[in-house]
Amino acid sequence: NAGVMQNPRHLVRRRGQEARLRCSPMKGHSHVYWYRQLPEEGLKFMVYLQKENIIDESGMPKERFSAEFPKEGPSILRIQQVVRGDSAAYFCASSTPGQKAFFGQGTRLTVV
Amino acid sequence: EDKVVQSPLSLVVHEGDTVTLNCSYEVTNFRSLLWYKQEKKAPTFLFMLTSSGIEKKSGRLSSILDKKELSSILNITATQTGDSAIYLCAVEALTGANSKLTFGKGITLSVRP
Repeated sequence: NAGVMQNPRHLVRRRGQEARLRCSPMKGHSHVYWYRQLPEEGLKFMVYLQKENIIDESGMPKERFSAEFPKEGPSILRIQQVVRGDSAAYFCASSTPGQKAFFGQGTRLTVV
Repeated sequence: EDKVVQSPLSLVVHEGDTVTLNCSYEVTNFRSLLWYKQEKKAPTFLFMLTSSGIEKKSGRLSSILDKKELSSILNITATQTGDSAIYLCAVEALTGANSKLTFGKGITLSVRP
C-alpha cells in the first residue's frame, strides 16, 4: 500500500516558465490537500480537493496558480509564469474525513 | 478564519530534558487536533485527539487536548537528539459535509547532546 506519492521531488524552473506538481493520494483516499512551506515558515494551506471538485481554494493566490483532481489520475498543482517568490516546498496530503492525513515527501520548487 | 497558534516558535534543550509544546486554536466546528513531526521532509503523524480521546501517549511522547481552553500540549520526556525536528499542530474543522486541516507554523525543537 504505497503512501502519498509526489513527483517530481525536485523541480527547477526559470522565471516565466510553468511548473506542474503531481500528487497521487493513498489508495482509498478521495480528499487531497496542497500546502506550501516557505523557508522558516510553517505549512500554509493552499487548496482542498475531492475528485473533480475544488472544495476550498481560499489559500490559493488569485493569479497563476490552479489545482485539479480529475476522476482518473493524480492531483495537479499548476503554477504559471513562475517567479522567484514561488520557490518553496509544496506538500500534498490525502485523507478520508475524520481520519489522519498522510503526507507525501513534497516537491521542492526552485525558480532561477 | 480558522487559526492555529503554536508556541514557542523555537526551543533549544539538552538531552534528558523534558519539553512541553503548546498549541491553541480558534476554529468553527472543531473535529480533531493532530500533531505531526517534521524532520527533513514530509511531516509524519504522531497523535490525533478528539472529544472522545483527549489524551494520548506513545513512549516518551504524550499529548492532551483541553477543549475548554481550546488548546493542546505535546510533552516529550527524556529528550534525545533524534527528537530534534519541527513539531506541527493541525486542527480539523468541519466545513459542511467536508473537513479542512489548518496548520500552525510549527515549533522548531533542537536537542543538544
